[in-house]
Amino acid sequence: GDSVTQMEGPVTLSEEAFLTINCTYTATGYPSLFWYVQYPGEGLQLLLKATKADDKGSNKGFEATYRKETTSFHLEKGSVQVSDSAVYFCARGSGNTGKLIFGQGTTLQVKP
Amino acid sequence: NAGVTQTPKFQVLKTGQSMTLQCAQDMNHEYMSWYRQDPGMGLRLIHYSVGAGITDQGEVPNGYNVSRSTTEDFPLRLLSAAPSQTSVYFCASSYSQTPGQLTSYEQYFGPGTRLTVT
Repeated sequence: GDSVTQMEGPVTLSEEAFLTINCTYTATGYPSLFWYVQYPGEGLQLLLKATKADDKGSNKGFEATYRKETTSFHLEKGSVQVSDSAVYFCARGSGNTGKLIFGQGTTLQVKP
Repeated sequence: NAGVTQTPKFQVLKTGQSMTLQCAQDMNHEYMSWYRQDPGMGLRLIHYSVGAGITDQGEVPNGYNVSRSTTEDFPLRLLSAAPSQTSVYFCASSYSQTPGQLTSYEQYFGPGTRLTVT
């Protein structure tokens, strides 16, 4: 069935370091792909999305490119800040029902 | 707009008790869903609805009931609480950019309900 796999965390970085969080998805159809972020004690917020192959989603310095050939949607940021500390979830759409399939989440901790 | 609201924020139940988690949205979204979040398991879909009067099961529906009598509200009922239902519960809603097609799938999440069953 449809699934999403993320790299395991936690990921600990120093401020201004480069961030990559890997995400791969099962290649059934051409799903929309998303990254959501969850700050401590809060619900999930959409960070960025891409709806077709080769699309690049970007927001707040984060980027991810929809790679159909490798079924990947890796999240990157060139220079992380302490305020980026959160849990990041990769997700894909499933069918035309509005359902989302989530990865297990990756905790990012950025130290000053 | 208040967005997606959930009540209560915290709840402690004893095994066997029943309760209803409330979820409401004021964005006229047609799609609503309930997820549970457990450590290391991401979010798992419990039930979802594509419109008033229509509901369907997600990945982990056992022990939960839902109904969708209005577009705004989507309550989640725990029939007989069990310790395995200790979790954080999130409600979400979504819209379609094209009428009748949920092609966007961008979901708006509520703040969550932290439930402990003892």
